[in-house]
Amino acid sequence: GDSVTQMEGPVTLSEEAFLTINCTYTATGYPSLFWYVQYPGEGLQLLLKATKADDKGSNKGFEATYRKETTSFHLEKGSVQVSDSAVYFCALSDPGANSKLTFGKGITLSVRP
Amino acid sequence: DAMVIQNPRYQVTQFGKPVTLSCSQTLNHNVMYWYQQKSSQAPKLLFHYYDKDFNNEADTPDNFQSRRPNTSFCFLDIRSPGLGDAAMYLCATSRAHSGSYEQYFGPGTRLTVT
Repeated sequence: GDSVTQMEGPVTLSEEAFLTINCTYTATGYPSLFWYVQYPGEGLQLLLKATKADDKGSNKGFEATYRKETTSFHLEKGSVQVSDSAVYFCALSDPGANSKLTFGKGITLSVRP
Repeated sequence: DAMVIQNPRYQVTQFGKPVTLSCSQTLNHNVMYWYQQKSSQAPKLLFHYYDKDFNNEADTPDNFQSRRPNTSFCFLDIRSPGLGDAAMYLCATSRAHSGSYEQYFGPGTRLTVT
């Protein structure tokens, strides 16, 4: 079956540091890939997405590239802010599965001033 | 703005007392989902509606039921809440066959069982 593996957390960074959160996946079909962010006490917000190989999703300074050859979708940001502190989930959706999402375990990011 | 709305944001119920959580959407999406999320975990899909068709996950307890009276509304009923059912409940929607498959989440309802 489908699965998503995220790097272990939590991650603590200083403001303006570079961020990389690793995500790899296994899927039987050709999935769409997503990063969702969850702020404390809130629901999940779609941060960015990519639907085919070599697509780059980007939003709010975050980027991730769909790498089919390495089955990866790593999240990066060049300079994090305190307001980026949240839980980040990598997810995939396999076509024909009623858009059901398979989530990674999530990783907590804390950014210090 | 088009959105997914959940009410209430916080719900307290007593052990064994039935409770209903509600979700509405203005996105006109044909698929609606209910997730349970416990602390420091990923959301766990309970069930979803594809239009009027109900799809239960194999490991969802019978204690959890759902209703979708129309496109805009979906309800989660917990018939006899136990202490283990305390969690955040998330509603989400998507447009099937849209080509991108993303889901849009509501803010969640935090359920406390006393």
